[in-house]
Amino acid sequence: GENVEQHPSTLSVQEGDSAVIKCTYSDSASNYFPWYKQELGKRPQLIIDIRSNVGEKKDQRIAVTLNKTAKHFSLHITETQPEDSAVYFCAASTGYSGGGADGLTFGKGTHLIIQP
Amino acid sequence: DAGITQSPRHKVTETGTPVTLRCHQTENHRYMYWYRQDPGHGLRLIHYSYGVKDTDKGEVSDGYSVSRSKTEDFLLTLESATSSQTSVYFCASALAEPAYEQYFGPGTRLTVT
Repeated sequence: GENVEQHPSTLSVQEGDSAVIKCTYSDSASNYFPWYKQELGKRPQLIIDIRSNVGEKKDQRIAVTLNKTAKHFSLHITETQPEDSAVYFCAASTGYSGGGADGLTFGKGTHLIIQP
Repeated sequence: DAGITQSPRHKVTETGTPVTLRCHQTENHRYMYWYRQDPGHGLRLIHYSYGVKDTDKGEVSDGYSVSRSKTEDFLLTLESATSSQTSVYFCASALAEPAYEQYFGPGTRLTVT
């Protein structure tokens, strides 16, 4: 099955600086890569995703890049703000195969701390 | 939040008792999922459903069963709860093709004593 590794487990950056979280995956059939943000005691919230036919996607201060050859993808947050403090999870999926939509395989998460 | 609710939100139960968690969505999403979240493990897939009465196992399905008799409801049952099943359980749902996005419910915190 799929295995997703996520680094670092904790990331502390100064407010206004950029943050980068990296993930690698093992299954070359994976074609969908979402990122979720989870605040303490809350549900995971989808913040951005990328599909295998795209190398980069941006949404305001966040961007995701995908390198299919190397099987890794990264989340970039620019101009970090205190409200960016949370746990971020990457995930991978083979998407729709046969009759069903496969579940997501998650990384173990990165605790992002924004220092004032 | 995609109209997904879970019940109960918190439950404490004793080892060996059966437990059923309910997920309800009002988005008419075809696909539904159950995950568990544990410190150091992230979220792991337990079971998923790709339609009424159509379900399949995920990564950590042992000790769990599911049922889906209606599009909007997906039930997770622990036939005989064990302490290792103490966790936070999240339900998620997703539209049919071409969307992949999964939206999560608020979670159920289950403690097995």
